[in-house]
Amino acid sequence: AAGVIQSPRHLIKEKRETATLKCYPIPRHDTVYWYQQGPGQDPQFLISFYEKMQSDKGSIPDRFSAQQFSDYHSELNMSSLELGDSALYFCASSLQFAGYNEQFFGPGTRLTVL
Amino acid sequence: LAKTTQPISMDSYEGQEVNITCSHNNIATNDYITWYQQFPSQGPRFIIQGYKTKVTNEVASLFIPADRKSSTLSLPRVSLSDTAVYYCLVVPYNFNKFYFGSGTKLNVKP
Repeated sequence: AAGVIQSPRHLIKEKRETATLKCYPIPRHDTVYWYQQGPGQDPQFLISFYEKMQSDKGSIPDRFSAQQFSDYHSELNMSSLELGDSALYFCASSLQFAGYNEQFFGPGTRLTVL
Repeated sequence: LAKTTQPISMDSYEGQEVNITCSHNNIATNDYITWYQQFPSQGPRFIIQGYKTKVTNEVASLFIPADRKSSTLSLPRVSLSDTAVYYCLVVPYNFNKFYFGSGTKLNVKP
């Protein structure tokens, strides 16, 4: 079965640079979520999109922005990178009103800021 | 959102049944209880979800008492590959964001 695809899987950036993470949800899923997981920490919700509109916002820094495109893929744009942004970034997708709260997570993008 | 409390860690041996209890005293009427499993450097994976009484699937059972203020995830006959972090989440039906609290790190020994 198709899963959530994230690219790149690994990314190394310098401080103050920008980064773009991409997420391709499971086909026919209409909702995308972004999570950040720092070393030894629990996943933290950043933002979600339903049918290409932002649906919820969590602890996403102002330096980050995201959007969902017409083909339902999503991109997380991160600017003025800081050392503390080094983390695993997970994208998840789901089908709203499917009758249950199951989110399918991708393999993650490991971002290292030097 | 209801706050959840789980043990920080648990140890078990292969072949044993493991029960992980989660407290959620402030659960609301429209909240569902969902459990996720996460291996190191991988995304969380859905295990099971329930509203009340008992739910069972091919990998686990979920027991929810009548007052719904707690729930217990039961993993039958664990193996080394079940070593992971287990998260209990309490979320309203069709809620758009998950707040992961501190999960339970299960260590299965040979």
